[in-house]
Amino acid sequence: GQNIDQPTEMTATEGAIVQINCTYQTSGFNGLFWYQQHAGEAPTFLSYNVLDGLEEKGRFSSFLSRSKGYSYLLLKELQMKDSASYLCAVRDWPLEAGNMLTFGGGTRLMVKP
Amino acid sequence: SAVISQKPSRDICQRGTSLTIQCQVDSQVTMMFWYRQQPGQSLTLIATANQGSEATYESGFVIDKFPISRPNLTFSTLTVSNLSPEDSSIYLCSVAGLENYEQYFGPGTRLTVT
Repeated sequence: GQNIDQPTEMTATEGAIVQINCTYQTSGFNGLFWYQQHAGEAPTFLSYNVLDGLEEKGRFSSFLSRSKGYSYLLLKELQMKDSASYLCAVRDWPLEAGNMLTFGGGTRLMVKP
Repeated sequence: SAVISQKPSRDICQRGTSLTIQCQVDSQVTMMFWYRQQPGQSLTLIATANQGSEATYESGFVIDKFPISRPNLTFSTLTVSNLSPEDSSIYLCSVAGLENYEQYFGPGTRLTVT
């Protein structure tokens, strides 16, 4: 089975740094995704990790440790518009095999002035 | 990136009726997916829509309740049948891009069943 855990809610201050953790236990592994979802909108792709290490993209970075079944999303220089839900998702088989993403419950981030 | 549109964007339906949701992509894609997001929850995969063959459903979802069509490589429909209030959700169409890491979502259809 699939089990993906992330905190339900987090609060941070504008300009600060926040780290959102995700742990997973899946039958296989073929990539971990992070999505941002503002209220009432569709998820938008943030990052993808398939190898261990850190992927940096502007203010956002994502880290993966496959041996630990662990990832985090790091948001720097927080802005008010970063208030959203952040979804961790794992793909357990290659795309061509048909299986798709399994999502965690999402972390609702509130950025305060 | 793929541009995905969905119709309708929202609807209010009566119990016992059905709603068909359309998903249109601006490029040909092999795999299209339908997800459900219930209020306050994360996304759950309903099925994979395959062009030229029957959809593949995930555990807990059946074809009679969620019939899917995939007539070509840019279009799919999801019907939610015999509606009940528990079907009130956002339904999202998703496609996989050319690269392994690409996965895009449509804007969603917000369904409310009264």
